[in-house]
Amino acid sequence: QKEVEQNSGPLSVPEGAIASLNCTYSDRVSQSFFWYRQYSGKSPELIMSIYSNGDKEDGRFTAQLNKASQYVSLLIRDSQPSDSATYLCAVNRGADGLTFGKGTHLIIQP
Amino acid sequence: DTGVSQDPRHKITKRGQNVTFRCDPISEHNRLYWYRQTLGQGPEFLTYFQNEAQLEKSRLLSDRFSAERPKGSFSTLEIQRTEQGDSAMYLCASSLGLAVDTQYFGPGTRLTVL
Repeated sequence: QKEVEQNSGPLSVPEGAIASLNCTYSDRVSQSFFWYRQYSGKSPELIMSIYSNGDKEDGRFTAQLNKASQYVSLLIRDSQPSDSATYLCAVNRGADGLTFGKGTHLIIQP
Repeated sequence: DTGVSQDPRHKITKRGQNVTFRCDPISEHNRLYWYRQTLGQGPEFLTYFQNEAQLEKSRLLSDRFSAERPKGSFSTLEIQRTEQGDSAMYLCASSLGLAVDTQYFGPGTRLTVL
């Protein structure tokens, strides 16, 4: 059974600090890894995708993938109050349906 | 707006009634996915289409659920004889159809079954 695990939080981070979000997955065949941001009552919004081991940076966001450890993380630098949301980790084998974690609730304290 | 659209955005129905939701994908996307999300959970995959072909169905998709994409463009999701446990956000996503792909979500349809 494909599973994605995330700490549900809440994770509280001061404004301007680095927020670190973590995710583990069970399906070793997984090829694609995604971070979505979801505000309350809204639909998921794509933040980052990563397919290869290592780091991928996009603005204030860095995704990290370690396939050997089956671990994905998202770092948010210079955290802003607008970053307060639920962050969903999702994986799939390429083109099939995504398997999501339950999400981590992030709170940025002004 | 050229994103994924869903209609209606909200639906309140009584137990036992049938409901139908519509999803219009991003125009050049040939894959379309349906998910269901309940409070405090991540979205759960229901089914997906490559053009008009339904390629995968989750165990969550009971016999009361049916999805179609007759012309490979918009899709409908019908729930027959709704139950209170069907109350959820129903999300549609679309993607280009590459071997390694990215899915973009619509705003969702929130269903409340009384």
